[in-house]
Amino acid sequence: KQEVTQIPAALSVPEGENLVLNCSFTDSAIYNLQWFRQDPGKGLTSLLLIQSSQREQTSGRLNASLDKSSGRSTLYIAASQPGDSATYLCAVIGGTYKYIFGTGTRLKVLA
Amino acid sequence: EPEVTQTPSHQVTQMGQEVILRCVPISNHLYFYWYRQILGQKVEFLVSFYNNEISEKSEIFDDQFSVERPDGSNFTLKIRSTKLEDSAMYFCASRGTFLANTGELFFGEGSRLTVL
Repeated sequence: KQEVTQIPAALSVPEGENLVLNCSFTDSAIYNLQWFRQDPGKGLTSLLLIQSSQREQTSGRLNASLDKSSGRSTLYIAASQPGDSATYLCAVIGGTYKYIFGTGTRLKVLA
Repeated sequence: EPEVTQTPSHQVTQMGQEVILRCVPISNHLYFYWYRQILGQKVEFLVSFYNNEISEKSEIFDDQFSVERPDGSNFTLKIRSTKLEDSAMYFCASRGTFLANTGELFFGEGSRLTVL
């Protein structure tokens, strides 16, 4: 049974810092890994999708990497801003064809 | 940009009442999902739907829950007799195939259900 874990659970950093969020999964037989952002009381916004054949994806200040063999992904946020404050979720999809979510990392960027 | 839309955004109901949550997935998507998020907890899978039938359901999705795609655009979640513990945010999501659309999952804004 696939399990997804995110570390740290919460993170508070001063504005301008580069930071790394971690996601690990127990079953490496995945098709995709997707990172989402969730603002309080809101839906999930897709940030980056990494397909199983890819090693990383970039969008603006965000870079996500995937190491399938070790069951890990990292989300790198460069030059963090207060507007980046949100919960970041990773999710993987494998042979059961459903995305399974981690518990999330609550990020607060202080001005 | 295509998006998943959900209605209502918030519903308050009495315990034991039936509730229907509605979703319009992205038009060329083939896989549809309902997820649930109890306040402060993780996003939990409820059910997946493909080719007009349930592909998989979780242990949360008991006989009180049902899904339907009544026409070519809507996808509904029905809770027959709501319980207090059904209070949560319910998210609809859809995706295309891995080959044609990368399989990226798109979410609606959610329907907040409050059971009194």
